Amino acid sequence: GQQVMQIPQYQHVQEGEDFTTYCNSSTTLSNIQWYKQRPGGHPVFLIQLVKSGEVKKQKRLTFQFGEAKKNSSLHITATQTTDVGTYFCAELQTGANNLFFGTGTRLTVIP
Amino acid sequence: NAGVTQTPKFRILKIGQSMTLQCTQDMNHNYMYWYRQDPGMGLKLIYYSVGAGITDKGEVPNGYNVSRSTTEDFPLRLELAAPSQTSVYFCASKYGNEQFFGPGTRLTVL
Repeated sequence: GQQVMQIPQYQHVQEGEDFTTYCNSSTTLSNIQWYKQRPGGHPVFLIQLVKSGEVKKQKRLTFQFGEAKKNSSLHITATQTTDVGTYFCAELQTGANNLFFGTGTRLTVIP
Repeated sequence: NAGVTQTPKFRILKIGQSMTLQCTQDMNHNYMYWYRQDPGMGLKLIYYSVGAGITDKGEVPNGYNVSRSTTEDFPLRLELAAPSQTSVYFCASKYGNEQFFGPGTRLTVL
């Protein structure tokens, strides 16, 4: 399967600081999805990016797809304790409709 | 709608035992998936189904079997449980591009 790497693996931030997680692939990605998983919970779909260079925003969250479609990022502005969880990127394979998940970034927000 | 439901929530098995993890969705989605998530890791696809009567292997199918006799149900069968199958198992269904996950089954094999 595809190897989609995420960095960092862990991130601790003070509440109010910004946070960014990066998703990188050695091959061109057809599209990218982002999921959030709260501790002890299940993954919840956040967004899908399809176009080269695409940028989408959801309140304090900004998602970006690289121009070469080999990387993506999720940026959270002014983190809150409700942002705690693990953020996964996942490549949606065309045709098979399968998701290949990245390794995830676990975010801890210190109040 | 209840969404995607999974039973049981927790289970402890002895090596060599068998069990079936149940997954049901009431959203009439054709696509359904089974994933496993090992501690601190991402999700790995075990099996998937694009509709009733059709199933296919994912990344890590060994040691598992599935069936899809109805649109609603997609059970996952473990035969001869092994410690390597200790994991959290998530079932999901898909509508459009979005996957909807169940709450998971935490399985321990001792």
